[in-house]
Amino acid sequence: GAGVSQSPSNKVTEKGKDVELRCDPISGHTALYWYRQRLGQGLEFLIYFQGNSAPDKSGLPSDRFSAERTGESVSTLTIQRTQQEDSAVYLCASSSEPIVSYEQYFGPGTRLTVT
Amino acid sequence: AQTVTQSQPEMSVQEAETVTLSCTYDTSESNYYLFWYKQPPSRQMILVIRQEAYKQQNATENRFSVNFQKAAKSFSLKISDSQLGDTAMYFCAFMKARSYNTDKLIFGTGTRLQVFP
Repeated sequence: GAGVSQSPSNKVTEKGKDVELRCDPISGHTALYWYRQRLGQGLEFLIYFQGNSAPDKSGLPSDRFSAERTGESVSTLTIQRTQQEDSAVYLCASSSEPIVSYEQYFGPGTRLTVT
Repeated sequence: AQTVTQSQPEMSVQEAETVTLSCTYDTSESNYYLFWYKQPPSRQMILVIRQEAYKQQNATENRFSVNFQKAAKSFSLKISDSQLGDTAMYFCAFMKARSYNTDKLIFGTGTRLQVFP
């Protein structure tokens, strides 16, 4: 079946503008994660949605970052008033219930460049 | 808090040889999962192998195997018969085990592996 998809693939924006990044998880997956990968570094957790539970926002670096998820489908990550340090690849992952599998399946990421 | 450390920023190996990538982690959890992910230049994260902490037997997937030392909190990846297609960044990752939900992954900083012909 279809994997996790993300759009856009690349985004160039000017400092101070708002951006929205989209993630379409694998159908039926209850959990959705956002991670950030700065150049040459590992992935940092940003936010996690699990079913109808309140999201775990503990990884969001500032209040300029927010995310929403509609039911168990698409999620958008919004960065307001972008800064140059926001330049990174933003990766989304989804997983099903742990009784089925605890593996996270990743999308191809959105490369964000703030000029 | 959990941390994952990969002390080898770069490694290289000749085709058909064996290479071992190191990973150590720190946690007070008793039940958890450990993973190795591969990220080729395409940026796509691919799961290579996983290990449940409650299992003593080391996981194996074809040419990939792990050496899991729970007491030492060590989780190394061995790649046998290296192939050019193994060239990628390799990330070690930790996840707490929870009863009803999955949890976030904590990643190391990665090891860049280059396989030479």
